[in-house]
Amino acid sequence: QVQLVQSGAEVKKPGASVNVSCKASGYNLIAYYIHWVRQAPGQGLEWIGWMNPNTGTTNYAQNFQDRVAMTRDPTINTAHLELSSLTFRDSALYFCARANWRGPADAWGQGTQLTVSS
Amino acid sequence: EIVLTQSPGSLSLSPGERATLSCRASQSVSRYLAWYQQKPGQAPRLLIYGASSRTTGTPDRLSGSGSGTDFTLTITSVEPGDFAVYYCQQYAISPPTFGQGTKVDIK
Repeated sequence: QVQLVQSGAEVKKPGASVNVSCKASGYNLIAYYIHWVRQAPGQGLEWIGWMNPNTGTTNYAQNFQDRVAMTRDPTINTAHLELSSLTFRDSALYFCARANWRGPADAWGQGTQLTVSS
Repeated sequence: EIVLTQSPGSLSLSPGERATLSCRASQSVSRYLAWYQQKPGQAPRLLIYGASSRTTGTPDRLSGSGSGTDFTLTITSVEPGDFAVYYCQQYAISPPTFGQGTKVDIK
């Protein structure tokens, strides 16, 4: 069955960078877009951006444009999110999700907890 | 960007009651509207896409309706597994955006 399995929880200091991975199984990574969404404690869902794993094309939300990078390694069916210049406000649960072009997210990773703490 | 406003913010119901959740878009999204359910500690789960199409596994007591700017998710008879937070999302126009959520809890 389709699964997205994310890397484990991270604790980072302010100003650092974090890399979160998302490994797809049950389908070919390049067949669907990968979206990244985050959720701060007790808050709603915030879209970070998407990547087309087939071409590497990305589209980032304006709030993250200057410090986010989405990449992929199709040989291991894995997508990556790198977020730099972390602040306390980046503490959140980060999800990857797959979607068709202009479609809803029909499968989600389990989430990766990021804590930014000095 | 398109703003989605969900109402009410929370809904307290007894099992067996009807739930009506609203999602209003700041501009037309045609029928490019999805509904997700999220339970504590879990990822969101896609329930409805295209405003009214159920995913496999979504029970038929849940239904979506609407087009343009006004959408509704209805649960005809709430069951214990339905107590959760529900989010709408538009995917018509980039960036995709989510509503702030409606929490359905037990009265």
